[in-house]
Amino acid sequence: AQRVTQPEKLLSVFKGAPVELKCNYSYSGSPELFWYVQYSRQRLQLLLRHISRESIKGFTADLNKGETSFHLKKPFAQEEDSAMYYCALSEGGSNYKLTFGKGTLLTVNP
Amino acid sequence: SQTIHQWPATLVQPVGSPLSLECTVEGTSNPNLYWYRQAAGRGLQLLFYSVGIGQISSEVPQNLSASRPQDRQFILSSKKLLLSDSGFYLCAWSRRYLPYEQYFGPGTRLTVT
Repeated sequence: AQRVTQPEKLLSVFKGAPVELKCNYSYSGSPELFWYVQYSRQRLQLLLRHISRESIKGFTADLNKGETSFHLKKPFAQEEDSAMYYCALSEGGSNYKLTFGKGTLLTVNP
Repeated sequence: SQTIHQWPATLVQPVGSPLSLECTVEGTSNPNLYWYRQAAGRGLQLLFYSVGIGQISSEVPQNLSASRPQDRQFILSSKKLLLSDSGFYLCAWSRRYLPYEQYFGPGTRLTVT
């Protein structure tokens, strides 16, 4: 069965520092991968999807199939980036489900 | 644009009482619908999903059930709540074609006393 691992429950950085939230997955096929973010008192929302190869709010994520990773990166963290981040995997095909990691709480200190 | 609603936002219920949480989606048709429970440090646990009216798939055996009486309505129910049913419940929808990204409602905080 597929699995998504976010090894860090908590991550704390200072404003202006680079940040990397790790995500590793186990799946034998070609997955679709996503990052979701939940700011304080807001609903869970899609941050970015690997298929779009986009940069949202300065965040990027590259799918590394060799290392089965999909780490989320931002070169200069901002205080408003403080939130809970979830990595998610879709098998695609006829399987509509997403498998979520347990999340990483990012705190950006002033 | 599409929107997803959940109600109530918060609910306090005694043990043994029934439960009904409702989720509706606007602005799209034939969505896939999902119920999750979110717990701190445990991520999101998929409870049920539905690909059409009356079609429900259960992911975790438990005290809960789900129904989809209309295309864009998804209901989470229980006949008798347990203390362990307390939690934060999220509804989500996705399109039926790739890449199946899901869009979430605001959630319901359920406290069973």
